[in-house]
Amino acid sequence: NAGVTQTPKFRVLKTGQSMTLLCAQDMNHEYMYWYRQDPGMGLRLIHYSVGEGTTAKGEVPDGYNVSRLKKQNFLLGLESAAPSQTSVYFCASTHRLGGDEQFFGPGTRLTVL
Amino acid sequence: GQNIDQPTEMTATEGAIVQINCTYQTSGFNGLFWYQQHAGEAPTFLSYNVLDGLEEKGRFSSFLSRSKGYSYLLLKELQMKDSASYLCAARGTGGFKTIFGAGTRLFVKA
Repeated sequence: NAGVTQTPKFRVLKTGQSMTLLCAQDMNHEYMYWYRQDPGMGLRLIHYSVGEGTTAKGEVPDGYNVSRLKKQNFLLGLESAAPSQTSVYFCASTHRLGGDEQFFGPGTRLTVL
Repeated sequence: GQNIDQPTEMTATEGAIVQINCTYQTSGFNGLFWYQQHAGEAPTFLSYNVLDGLEEKGRFSSFLSRSKGYSYLLLKELQMKDSASYLCAARGTGGFKTIFGAGTRLFVKA
């Protein structure tokens, strides 16, 4: 099992460019999440999904869109990147609520110039 | 509101014991998690508490007091590889969201 994978690992964008981050998990997990992590701050939830075809807003959703067309994939899109979106992005998945921990991908380091 | 507080940094000596504290406020409560995150890597799960008391797992133990909104992570027999950030996270009820603290950076010195 690969667990949770993310592509790309690194990316540099210019302000106004768009891109899509891909998250894939092979654990048949129902729930998937996108977080951003900035220095001195905790992981902040951007969007999440509780199943194929469903998405919901998290704590900091502005400027991002997501899609969950297949159960194993969760895509995060930036339509018009801004320097404030420079961050490390982590995808995570979990089997169910309650005691199940979140499994995190390796992260994507995004710089917006 | 919802909030998690934990110390920013701690330093301890190899072989010693260190306790990392965490206080939390959530809308309801459905579990307290601790994750370890090495620099440049993803967080990995360490422990989960939903009932009051101590959960022990090898060199790592986690304690929870729901009435006080308080948890701690206890690391025994510290090793150099334990140098990492430790994230406290709490899940409220009625939702799928987990609130993460900013993390405590632990430095283990020889």
